[in-house]
Order: sequence, then C-alpha cells, then structure tokens
Amino acid sequence: DTAVSQTPKYLVTQMGNDKSIKCEQNLGHDTMYWYKQDSKKFLKIMFSYNNKELIINETVPNRFSPKSPDKAHLNLHINSLELGDSAVYFCASSQEFQPIGAGVKAEQYFGPGTRLTVT
Amino acid sequence: AQKVTQAQTEISVVEKEDVTLDCVYETRDTTYYLFWYKQPPSGELVFLIRRNSFDEQNEISGRYSWNFQKSTSSFNFTITASQVVDSAVYFCALSESLTNDYKLSFGAGTTVTVRA
Repeated sequence: DTAVSQTPKYLVTQMGNDKSIKCEQNLGHDTMYWYKQDSKKFLKIMFSYNNKELIINETVPNRFSPKSPDKAHLNLHINSLELGDSAVYFCASSQEFQPIGAGVKAEQYFGPGTRLTVT
Repeated sequence: AQKVTQAQTEISVVEKEDVTLDCVYETRDTTYYLFWYKQPPSGELVFLIRRNSFDEQNEISGRYSWNFQKSTSSFNFTITASQVVDSAVYFCALSESLTNDYKLSFGAGTTVTVRA
C-alpha cells in the first residue's frame, strides 16, 4: 500500500491552462505539505495544512490554491500556468505533536512527486 | 539566508569507498530537528534519520552513520563501503520550533555517484 500517493505522476500542459494535482495519505497523519523542487533539485516548502487548517503559505503566487477536503487529502490547484511553474511537486505528510510549537517535529513522508511541464 | 548548507555539490566514489556528506545549519532556536533524506534516480524522497538538538549521540544504522556536533552546527552523514545503490541526491534539512509551522528547510543537496 502506498503511504502517500499523488496523481498524476506526469503532467504536460500549455501556458495559461488550469491544472490540479491530487494527494492522498493513508498514514493517519494530521499534517500535509506541498513542496516544489526546481530544475536544480532545490526543495522549497509551499504550503502546509494541519487538521485541514492552513499553517504555511510561503509567499506562493495566488495562482496556486491548496485545498484540504479532509485530513487525508491535500490537493493543489494551479491557475494560469506559466513556464516557470515547470518543476516537480511533492506532497508530504507527518504526524505532529500538539500543541503547535511544542517543539517536537516529526519526520515527513513524501509522495512520489508530480513532474509538471508547462510548454 | 540559507539555513542549511551542503557545500559539496557532487561526490563521485568507487564502490566500497567511504563517503562523508557535510551539512552545516544555522538557527537561533534551542530546540530544533535535523533530518537526512535520500532521493534516488527514481525520484522519490526517502526519510533516513531525524535527530533533535538535545541528542548529540552519534547514530549508526547499517552502513550509514551520522555525526552531530552542536559546537560546529554540523550534522554529517557517512556511508561506509559504498555501493552502486547508494547513488542518489542526499538532502539535509532543518525544522525549527520558533517558526511553529513544521516546515523543513532543505539544503541544496549533494549528488553521490558510486561507480562499480
């Protein structure tokens, strides 16, 4: 059983289109994330959700909108795609200790990634 | 400012050689966590280890070992007797308590190539 799954694995689309990437985790975790990995392999946090509540929005353009319908899902919708959006997008999840700021951080488990190519 | 520095961009070794990956971090937090992840050519990110700032014991897991030194803000990773399957990009990451947001700040990664 895949712990963190993403669909699709590959996404090729044209500039200006709108697309979505779905993420599901079956680990029972309460926190989910989206990361972007650029062509130089640099990984950067985009969003995190804890119990469906947005915790991090790391200066990501408004064209990116995450949606968490429940604790097990965190989808990423991208409007008006641009060339610079081409990257690999990783979903991740973790089981964090409460309350927030308690100072204990759990390891994050990553999905297989979605390679987005904008032409 | 970069919070995690992995100065080695690429390392190439011959099988059975040992290889050490450097990781230097920067934080004002007294409570923080350090991680190593492996990204093989297939692309997924695999969790290797988590270490908190209060535990400076070195750790060994099979051919992998980690050396955490708070005095130099370093969390280095050694692969002993490397194998071709160790070829991957290795990322060091930091998670801080002050930010209260659970995010991982990643280093730029070190690409390890093990030649047969």
